[in-house]
Amino acid sequence: DIVLTQSPVLAVSLGQRATISCRASQSVSISSINLMHWYQQKPGQQPKLLIYRASNLASGIPARFSGSGSGTDFTLTIDPVQADDIAAYYCQQSRESPPWTFGGGTKLELK
Amino acid sequence: EVQLVESGGGLVKPGSSLKLSCVASGFTFSSYGMHWIRQAPKKGLEWIALIYYDSSNKYYADSVKGRFTISRDNSKNTLYLEMNSLRSEDTAMYYCAKGNNYGDYWYFDFWGPGTMVTVSS
Repeated sequence: DIVLTQSPVLAVSLGQRATISCRASQSVSISSINLMHWYQQKPGQQPKLLIYRASNLASGIPARFSGSGSGTDFTLTIDPVQADDIAAYYCQQSRESPPWTFGGGTKLELK
Repeated sequence: EVQLVESGGGLVKPGSSLKLSCVASGFTFSSYGMHWIRQAPKKGLEWIALIYYDSSNKYYADSVKGRFTISRDNSKNTLYLEMNSLRSEDTAMYYCAKGNNYGDYWYFDFWGPGTMVTVSS
């Protein structure tokens, strides 16, 4: 199984940029298609799709969210961070499956 | 508006069975693969099962293979998860999720609010 590694916590100030990383144990890209996706989960709520295939913004997601990366290293950027963005963020790969695996999550906290 | 609503969770004893349901609306249910994903308390997300739009293929995580069965009734816009031989480690919030795919490259574009399953004696 492909293992996805995320830092558990990231502290950020409101109005600043947050950069959340996800590293895969092997490449999750095929040619120019990067099979990494990002979700936001607020406390007590279900996850919500933010970014699909590394850099495509899901419907209704604000433009302050963006994604980048290829191969084994991917990044979710929130710029600028707003109070409503305090949540856990998960990456998920679909290069090798089943199983479709998730990272352990990064909890975005206020500094 | 896409809506997914799970039900059927509860408190059960180890070794018992439970059947979860997920009613879908706001999209053509019969055209999409559907997944079950769970989250143990204070833990991360674990994909556990996929069923194709026409039930032609089903896939399971090793942790539930042989104990859980995914099914669907397209006439009722409903997804199911039958869980047998439940263990304490199956305690989790269970989410149904609508799949979006390019071939077998799936991601999950809408999630239900979840139903909690607690396995304890």
